Amino acid sequence: DAGVIQSPRHEVTEMGQEVTLRCKPISGHNSLFWYRQTMMRGLELLIYFNNNVPIDDSGMPEDRFSAKMPNASFSTLKIQPSEPRDSAVYFCASTTGLRYTEAFFGQGTRLTVV
Amino acid sequence: AQTVTQSQPEMSVQEAETVTLSCTYDTSESDYYLFWYKQPPSRQMILVIRQEAYKQQNATENRFSVNFQKAAKSFSLKISDSQLGDAAMYFCASLDNYGQNFVFGPGTRLSVLP
Repeated sequence: DAGVIQSPRHEVTEMGQEVTLRCKPISGHNSLFWYRQTMMRGLELLIYFNNNVPIDDSGMPEDRFSAKMPNASFSTLKIQPSEPRDSAVYFCASTTGLRYTEAFFGQGTRLTVV
Repeated sequence: AQTVTQSQPEMSVQEAETVTLSCTYDTSESDYYLFWYKQPPSRQMILVIRQEAYKQQNATENRFSVNFQKAAKSFSLKISDSQLGDAAMYFCASLDNYGQNFVFGPGTRLSVLP
């Protein structure tokens, strides 16, 4: 397996534009997590899905952020409209539970909003 | 809710020496998993070591080992024979038995001195 795949690796956009980050989890993993990492706030959990269903979105900062997981192999995190304070590295991770648990991260998307 | 605490924002170690990074956690679960991740300047989150809470034996991976004290909810990482390439941010994390509630500590920045 190629691991967790995120795209794009880097994104630069202008304030007010819509941004969509993408994640492909490891095949067979049943939970998917979105994190935001900044120097000031560290690694923040934004939302996670289990079997494609959003379980906890309490970490989503505001209504400008939305996430979907239409199937087991794809998830998106959308910011509309984007603001400079959204600039961060966004990570996706996937895990599987029950007896044998592994948890792996994608390489992250560095988002810069100017 | 699960929480993870790392009380050492920064640590340093001399090359070839041993260093221990501390982590405490809080969970109401009886079965769970604990992890240490390394994040070098490349920002990739790299799994260092993994421990199942139901196993009493401490996990080891080459120069990396843990001291898992379940009753005290403590999970420290020992790095032996430190190398320059070990310099990075280290994150402690917990995950429940269903592969959910993937919670991270604030991290410890490790410097390795030549």
